[in-house]
Amino acid sequence: DTAVSQTPKYLVTQMGNDKSIKCEQNLGHDTMYWYKQDSKKFLKIMFSYNNKELIINETVPNRFSPKSPDKAHLNLHINSLELGDSAVYFCASSQDGVGASENEQFFGPGTRLTVL
Amino acid sequence: GQSLEQPSEVTAVEGAIVQINCTYQTSGFYGLSWYQQHDGGAPTFLSYNALDGLEETGRFSSFLSRSDSYGYLLLQELQMKDSASYFCAVPNQAGTALIFGKGTTLSVSS
Repeated sequence: DTAVSQTPKYLVTQMGNDKSIKCEQNLGHDTMYWYKQDSKKFLKIMFSYNNKELIINETVPNRFSPKSPDKAHLNLHINSLELGDSAVYFCASSQDGVGASENEQFFGPGTRLTVL
Repeated sequence: GQSLEQPSEVTAVEGAIVQINCTYQTSGFYGLSWYQQHDGGAPTFLSYNALDGLEETGRFSSFLSRSDSYGYLLLQELQMKDSASYFCAVPNQAGTALIFGKGTTLSVSS
């Protein structure tokens, strides 16, 4: 069984559109994350959710909104897409916050978003 | 804030040993993690060091010196499949997410 899954794997869309990326984890973890990886492979945290509560938001534009219907899901909705939003978006999960022991993060396969 | 420095590229041949260094600047420190990412793939966890010293897991080892704010990943008996990007990471100040280095691309040739 896939531990962390994301859909879609590829997303090509026009500027100005609104799109969503879905993420699900079946590990029973308490914390989920969204990361953005740019063309230079720089991996940057966007959001994390712990028990349905947003606990960080790292200077991400408010066009991006995470939505968590339950502990196993953290979806990412993006409004008014811009060219600079083109990147690979990774969902991840961990048992606790990363300050707790080794607390390995499990990443989904990624969603490659291309904005035309 | 947190910042990490690691070399952008390293090349080696099969069977060799390579060391990827990482220096960090943090406000508070929980531990240093290493992740591997193959092209087109997802980052996968390799190791974690919270205390000084060397942690060995098969062909891979990770070292930490908290006094020097420095760690490294040691890869032995290199194989072609080890060609990937390697990221060091530390928790942010609140311990709520990981801050990643910019990654080191390892190319292993035959």
